[in-house]
Amino acid sequence: DVKVTQSSRYLVKRTGEKVFLECVQDMDHENMFWYRQDPGLGLRLIYFSYDVKMKEKGDIPEGYSVSREKKERFSLILESASTNQTSMYLCASSFSSGPSTDTQYFGPGTRLTVL
Amino acid sequence: AQSVTQPDIHITVSEGASLELRCNYSYGATPYLFWYVQSPGQGLQLLLKYFSGDTLVQGIKGFEAEFKRSQSSFNLRKPSVHWSDAAEYFCAVSGSARQLTFGSGTQLTVLP
Repeated sequence: DVKVTQSSRYLVKRTGEKVFLECVQDMDHENMFWYRQDPGLGLRLIYFSYDVKMKEKGDIPEGYSVSREKKERFSLILESASTNQTSMYLCASSFSSGPSTDTQYFGPGTRLTVL
Repeated sequence: AQSVTQPDIHITVSEGASLELRCNYSYGATPYLFWYVQSPGQGLQLLLKYFSGDTLVQGIKGFEAEFKRSQSSFNLRKPSVHWSDAAEYFCAVSGSARQLTFGSGTQLTVLP
């Protein structure tokens, strides 16, 4: 079974803090993604990566950055957390080729509250 | 740009009744289409996907979906709903960039 894990299920931070959300997958997937999920808006793509050291902006990258130093790990960074970044954050991964290309597997999510 | 519309924000059905969740997409070429389910407080689980071939696809938990190109639709169906099916359901489309675009979701409530 594909396993995508996220470092925390719940996180509470204060405005202005630097926040790290970690994601690890064990299926040797090339692609990794970070989404945020808000009621009525579905999932929106923040950043994604198709390879180590590589990153691309998604639809809502403002206020976020990412790091991918190893193939299995993809980190989302909030440089200075703000209250409007209170949300559920979901990590996903997928293969780049083969019959399962584009099928993304999701972690359990991190519910972040910024006070 | 690709997009997905799920016109029903919330659907309520009785246990044992049939279910259909609607999904309409916009994409210039043949899309890859997905349905995911999210139980409360959980991540998303893949129910089924359409890449090519037979337009009626079977998924897990007794779900199926039909791709209709003429209607740009990919509706999810189940003949008899169980209480454990109560969850939020997301339709998604993937285009050439290997990214998924999600609909805003349909919340399903199942009455006993």
